[in-house]
Amino acid sequence: ETGVTQTPRHLVMGMTNKKSLKCEQHLGHNAMYWYKQSAKKPLELMFVYSLEERVENNSVPSRFSPECPNSSHLFLHLHTLQPEDSALYLCASSQGASGANVLTFGAGSRLTVL
Amino acid sequence: GQQVMQIPQYQHVQEGEDFTTYCNSSTTLSNIQWYKQRPGGHPVFLIQLVKSGEVKKQKRLTFQFGEAKKNSSLHITATQTTDVGTYFCAGPYNTDKLIFGTGTRLQVFP
Repeated sequence: ETGVTQTPRHLVMGMTNKKSLKCEQHLGHNAMYWYKQSAKKPLELMFVYSLEERVENNSVPSRFSPECPNSSHLFLHLHTLQPEDSALYLCASSQGASGANVLTFGAGSRLTVL
Repeated sequence: GQQVMQIPQYQHVQEGEDFTTYCNSSTTLSNIQWYKQRPGGHPVFLIQLVKSGEVKKQKRLTFQFGEAKKNSSLHITATQTTDVGTYFCAGPYNTDKLIFGTGTRLQVFP
């Protein structure tokens, strides 16, 4: 496989559930990102990992918990979410975590919270 | 708050007409990037501009970076139905992380 792969593509969960989103990149990049895209807001940066260390946490509620076990994998653990958390969650990677680096996005995980 | 504004928010054009979207930043940018997101898809990188006043072309698409490096534009000549989608500009802010603009959704009628 090439590029950035996200699973699952679609997820429906209740407010009391715990689920995880997974992202895997096959580009040899060393930075990975989570962005949230909803109808009301443009692409919102959530988390940035560079060389497996979190370098950005953009005031995201604690019900979202990221994990980056290595430079190729990124997870977003979800628990006790709210209906307003329903959105498209996009993973991206880049060679370097500076704002000069170009992002490659995955296809996204469409989350619906009931 | 949002630091990168794009106008217009929506644009409907007849196939063959030209289209322009504008990106305005509250601060000077070291570089600006443009992405396209097709309906139901994900953002895909189009181009990066670095120099003041830089102009780059990709077939019918012309990208420009302002002299003050605070604004940018994307112009499409003779739109086609394949141009449909949302166009985002993005630039580095605060902690040097890429922040996306509000996007311009383009609809092309055949």
